[in-house]
Amino acid sequence: DAGVTQSPTHLIKTRGQQVTLRCSPKSGHDTVSWYQQALGQGPQFIFQYYEEEERQRGNFPDRFSGHQFPNYSSELNVNALLLGDSALYLCASSRTQSGNTIYFGEGSWLTVV
Amino acid sequence: GNSVTQMEGPVTLSEEAFLTINCTYTATGYPSLFWYVQYPGEGLQLLLKATKADDKGSNKGFEATYRKETTSFHLEKGSVQVSDSAVYFCALSDPNSGYSTLTFGKGTMLLVSP
Repeated sequence: DAGVTQSPTHLIKTRGQQVTLRCSPKSGHDTVSWYQQALGQGPQFIFQYYEEEERQRGNFPDRFSGHQFPNYSSELNVNALLLGDSALYLCASSRTQSGNTIYFGEGSWLTVV
Repeated sequence: GNSVTQMEGPVTLSEEAFLTINCTYTATGYPSLFWYVQYPGEGLQLLLKATKADDKGSNKGFEATYRKETTSFHLEKGSVQVSDSAVYFCALSDPNSGYSTLTFGKGTMLLVSP
């Protein structure tokens, strides 16, 4: 049973560019969340998707957007990249009922130069 | 709002020493509490959890007890190993939000030497 898988593992982008990160949830999971983890910090919640809709959003600007597909996989898009967007981006999946365990992927390391 | 405060690291121990990493939280409701571990270059792995007051979560020799009166969830292990070297994150999930989102502390790095 594959866990949460993310791609790409590492990438480097230039300021002002756009990036798309991808996530496949654990089998049987229908809810996908994205977190940003800056170096030396704890993960910060970006947003959560369920039934192809953004269900909840953290304190992130509109440059951060996402999408969930019918197979529950998800994308995170970041426009107009800033140096401060350099971070590890973690995808997490769970079943929709509250209290279910949340599983994380290995993350995508984004460096903005 | 919800918040989690962890002791600052790094925590440096010798193998077989006793470990305590302090964690306190602020939440509006009755959250579930978690410890996640992050090994170098990897994502987060759930270490243990507790969903109500006085529950004790345990896994791989690590333990933490949900203390509502002190709003704490301290992580302990009786005898650490070199392989326990990692960053440990305390986190909470607020059921009042209705959804499974996590609020994390800043993490505590543990370094265990032989």
